[in-house]
Amino acid sequence: GESVGLHLPTLSVQEGDNSIINCAYSNSASDYFIWYKQESGKGPQFIIDIRSNMDKRQGQRVTVLLNKTVKHLSLQIAATQPGDSAVYFCAESNIGGGSYIPTFGRGTSLIVHP
Amino acid sequence: EAQVTQNPRYLITVTGKKLTVTCSQNMNHEYMSWYRQDPGLGLRQIYYSMNVEVTDKGDVPEGYKVSRKEKRNFPLILESPSPNQTSLYFCASRNRGEQFFGPGTRLTVL
Repeated sequence: GESVGLHLPTLSVQEGDNSIINCAYSNSASDYFIWYKQESGKGPQFIIDIRSNMDKRQGQRVTVLLNKTVKHLSLQIAATQPGDSAVYFCAESNIGGGSYIPTFGRGTSLIVHP
Repeated sequence: EAQVTQNPRYLITVTGKKLTVTCSQNMNHEYMSWYRQDPGLGLRQIYYSMNVEVTDKGDVPEGYKVSRKEKRNFPLILESPSPNQTSLYFCASRNRGEQFFGPGTRLTVL
């Protein structure tokens, strides 16, 4: 498959464990954040988003936490499965400021061992 | 099936030979964009379009052109490709929030 990054931070977990992937963002004016999953050879896939007026949002098996004070975003995956193995990255935007150019993080490679 | 399609998926070309990568979406989205993805740099936006005949530069527009003559299509044009444009390219479209990405085009410029 396609290699989407070299020397990415890597998180290795056992199947069934919970995973936490972190992202530090740069722009304190950013008001919209998205987590993406990218499997080898595929395009990024939307997982979950959160706006800056929230600090937590839950989806199916995933939770995103936003800490605006320290400009930190995390993605929690419950009961991680081998199919969750992929590169995960966050994106920030300043939608309220009229910017439609998202800034993407470099990503974290999640490896789930059966 | 809702999707974003790109063609070609793989392309090897030579410096200076004009090429076009097509992108099409069937979700009636107004917003479309092009990204390049390079090792260690992550995704960077090249151009985006808010609607038909409305396009704007992203972070790395140099050496690229786009057009948006109809809502579903957003081709990326490299008038004179150079080796530093060797990369993995993604087209995307979105509604209000969720962005849908195409499968990617691996371009190599020799």
